[in-house]
Amino acid sequence: EVQLLESGGGLVQPGGSLRLSCAASGFTFSNYGMTWVRQTPGKGLAWVATISASGANTYYADSVKGRFTISRDNSKNTVHLQMNSLRAADTALYYCAKDLRLYGDPTSPFDPWGQGTLVTVSS
Amino acid sequence: QSALTQPASVSGSPGQSITISCTGTNSDVGGYNYVSWYQQHPGKAPKLMIYEVSYRPSGVSNRFSGSKSGNTASLTISGLQTEDEADYYCSSYTSTSPYVFGTGTKVTVV
Repeated sequence: EVQLLESGGGLVQPGGSLRLSCAASGFTFSNYGMTWVRQTPGKGLAWVATISASGANTYYADSVKGRFTISRDNSKNTVHLQMNSLRAADTALYYCAKDLRLYGDPTSPFDPWGQGTLVTVSS
Repeated sequence: QSALTQPASVSGSPGQSITISCTGTNSDVGGYNYVSWYQQHPGKAPKLMIYEVSYRPSGVSNRFSGSKSGNTASLTISGLQTEDEADYYCSSYTSTSPYVFGTGTKVTVV
């Protein structure tokens, strides 16, 4: 069974940093792209960042480009999201999701998703 | 990249069919057959229901079907059941992003 377990969320002041992690199991991690999606409390979904299976290619939403960095460690089956210069608007539940397709490109849908980790940016 | 447009809410009675629309542009929905639909129950993670416009992942009920015409994609739920009450989001590959989600639709079974 595929499992994705996010961690690292918490309360941080504006301008601060946080590093999210997603531990994966139940599949060959190095064969799938991984993505972070966030959801503001009571609101909709917003794509944040995607990394290819090898880690060679990364993609970012304009709202986080230059502030967030997605990375992965295929030896530890883990994907990370380093978040710097955090703003109140970054407050959200952050989900980690696996590409549906093997060696998927950026067209791949996400399946499954983890349960999320909550990030709150507030002074 | 602006979010795709969905109706805020759709309702139906048990056994009925409902359709949720997802409207984009030539740069996303209309330009590619990479539209997905996700179901989200309260307090739960989203679940993939449809991908590449009309394909169902293994384990998803055949009561769920997808289609597309021009810049608008649609999700149809037939034989509506109480367990279908949830939020539904569409998503599309885009030429600029590469992903964009819809605004979300709350489905109520009355």
